[in-house]
Amino acid sequence: DTGVSQNPRHKITKRGQNVTFRCDPISEHNRLYWYRQTLGQGPEFLTYFQNEAQLEKSRLLSDRFSAERPKGSFSTLEIQRTEQGDSAMYLCASSYPWGAGVLNTGELFFGEGSRLTVL
Amino acid sequence: GNSVTQMEGPVTLSEEAFLTINCTYTATGYPSLFWYVQYPGEGLQLLLKATKADDKGSNKGFEATYRKETTSFHLEKGSVQVSDSAVYFCALVISNFGNEKLTFGTGTRLTIIP
Repeated sequence: DTGVSQNPRHKITKRGQNVTFRCDPISEHNRLYWYRQTLGQGPEFLTYFQNEAQLEKSRLLSDRFSAERPKGSFSTLEIQRTEQGDSAMYLCASSYPWGAGVLNTGELFFGEGSRLTVL
Repeated sequence: GNSVTQMEGPVTLSEEAFLTINCTYTATGYPSLFWYVQYPGEGLQLLLKATKADDKGSNKGFEATYRKETTSFHLEKGSVQVSDSAVYFCALVISNFGNEKLTFGTGTRLTIIP
């Protein structure tokens, strides 16, 4: 078990450019979550997947944001035409489905995050 | 909607002091409650949890009791150490098939001085 892995750890980009972040969850986990965290705030939910199905998207996720998990394993979060307000830490987490008996303790396992700076 | 309100920080304490970080919640339903911790340079990790009223979660000397009557889940530790310096987040989840995601508070930064 190598934990949740996120890449890149830090991305600096100019306004208007596109960026993509990748998340590799813990292999036995079939739920994957994306959160965004800005300075001094708690993580805010963006979206989540069960296997390859995207089950919910937050209103925070504008049309410029898209997330995929094509084979139910790794996921990507793409931000198109970045804006300075997109500067944040993007967190990925994985878990077993809630209610999956002894497999699930309600815990999300987080990666170390991908920090985006938009100049 | 669901929300979590945490004691504002930062909090600075001397080593071996008693710690309380307040957390209250509003939930449309019956939540499970969590404390997550983020050490410098690391990802968020679960510290403790409680899934029903009057449950006490505990780990690493930290405790929190799920109080339904006061909608609270305050974090306590009897004697803090320098290594406890971190940001602490209170969170809740409502188990509702298809809508199971954590809602976090804003976090409380704790600094312990020797």
